[in-house]
Amino acid sequence: KAGVTQTPRYLIKTRGQQVTLSCSPISGHRSVSWYQQTPGQGLQFLFEYFSETQRNKGNFPGRFSGRQFSNSRSEMNVSTLELGDSALYLCASSPGLAGITDTQYFGPGTRLTVL
Amino acid sequence: KQEVTQIPAALSVPEGENLVLNCSFTDSAIYNLQWFRQDPGKGLTSLLLIQSSQREQTSGRLNASLDKSSGRSTLYIAASQPGDSATYLCAVRMNTGFQKLVFGTGTRLLVSP
Repeated sequence: KAGVTQTPRYLIKTRGQQVTLSCSPISGHRSVSWYQQTPGQGLQFLFEYFSETQRNKGNFPGRFSGRQFSNSRSEMNVSTLELGDSALYLCASSPGLAGITDTQYFGPGTRLTVL
Repeated sequence: KQEVTQIPAALSVPEGENLVLNCSFTDSAIYNLQWFRQDPGKGLTSLLLIQSSQREQTSGRLNASLDKSSGRSTLYIAASQPGDSATYLCAVRMNTGFQKLVFGTGTRLLVSP
């Protein structure tokens, strides 16, 4: 089975721009979660999508948004970029069925640099 | 609010040593706990997952234990190798948080030949 893929792997943007990151989960997985990793804050949960619905959200401003398509692929968007948005953005895939124990599988991440 | 802490923050050992990484969490209402490995600039690789009802899990040279009542987990690595050098992260999934993981601060491990 192919693993979790994220595109692009690297991005450089300037302040004020917006960016869209993409995540393709493992085939058959319906849950996609997004995390931000920075040296200062570590790994922080952004949001989770399951069957095209956002089912959980972390404590991030509204500039961070996401969506999930019918094939379970997910995108996250950051508008009006700030320097502090520079980070490694990771997505995680799992079957996501309630009550089912499941391991989360992470993609390689997208490294976003905001200048 | 769940807080997850890992001690030590960094660890340097010679090859062949057995070592223990610690993870503590403040809220015992967890669904499971997962240990991950992260190589520099890379994503996370899942190592072990322990259900809240379990006490330990083993995979090869790795053994993870869980004491939910005291809010602790340990990752034991036997006969360490230079290839084990990485950052190790523990993460807890809460009973009410669906797939949300709360991550620890990480332990950076360096195993010297």
